[in-house]
Amino acid sequence: SSELTQDPAVSVALGQTVEITCQGDSLRRYYASWYQKKTGQAPKLVIYGKNNRPSGIPDRISGSRSGNSASLTITGARAEDEADYYCHSRDSSGNYLVFGGGTKLTVL
Amino acid sequence: QVQLVQSGAEVKKAGASVRLSCKLHPIDFSNYDINWVRQATGQGLEWLGWMNPFSGSPGYAPKFQGRLTMTRDTSKSTAYLELSSLRFDDTAVYYCARGPPPGELNYYCDHWGQGTLVTVSS
Repeated sequence: SSELTQDPAVSVALGQTVEITCQGDSLRRYYASWYQKKTGQAPKLVIYGKNNRPSGIPDRISGSRSGNSASLTITGARAEDEADYYCHSRDSSGNYLVFGGGTKLTVL
Repeated sequence: QVQLVQSGAEVKKAGASVRLSCKLHPIDFSNYDINWVRQATGQGLEWLGWMNPFSGSPGYAPKFQGRLTMTRDTSKSTAYLELSSLRFDDTAVYYCARGPPPGELNYYCDHWGQGTLVTVSS
């Protein structure tokens, strides 16, 4: 079982906005990082810290936190955004790392 | 450009051990945690553990303690993962990934290796 909980699947219409959420007690203390994972590729970091994007990640991808929940928001969804998205953070003890179960994003 | 280069695919019998490697640039090897993460087919990402670059001390996810050993060879800027008593459900792609700068409380892995497929057979 994971200490971070994600919805298994979410869908969004092309060009619309979608929010992917992650819940866990450790998120009250730590910001989550978010990864995009496509089949056959290594995970790609898309958001880290309060709302930081690595070089090359467009600003239509953003992150936020409220209470014990973290969110990844994609505005103007594109076909290329279709992927699995994982949240990641320290666990409640701070001594280990955990991933959420992942959310499969479908762009319709 | 940050690069993590992993060793090639492995096929092992159940009960055996496997050793994977991850080579980094010396500057990255000396200053950043190295994490190991795996993904079985159809499953999510799973964190296995990390290694502190300064002390060389590893930390393992509770699930893997007793079966997992992380080591390093500083002369080769290479980190190693050894998983023993392999089971069929250890079949997965194993990734190494670089952690954030030292002291960062909000953890993230910004660069990843290409992955190594480990297949456990009977």
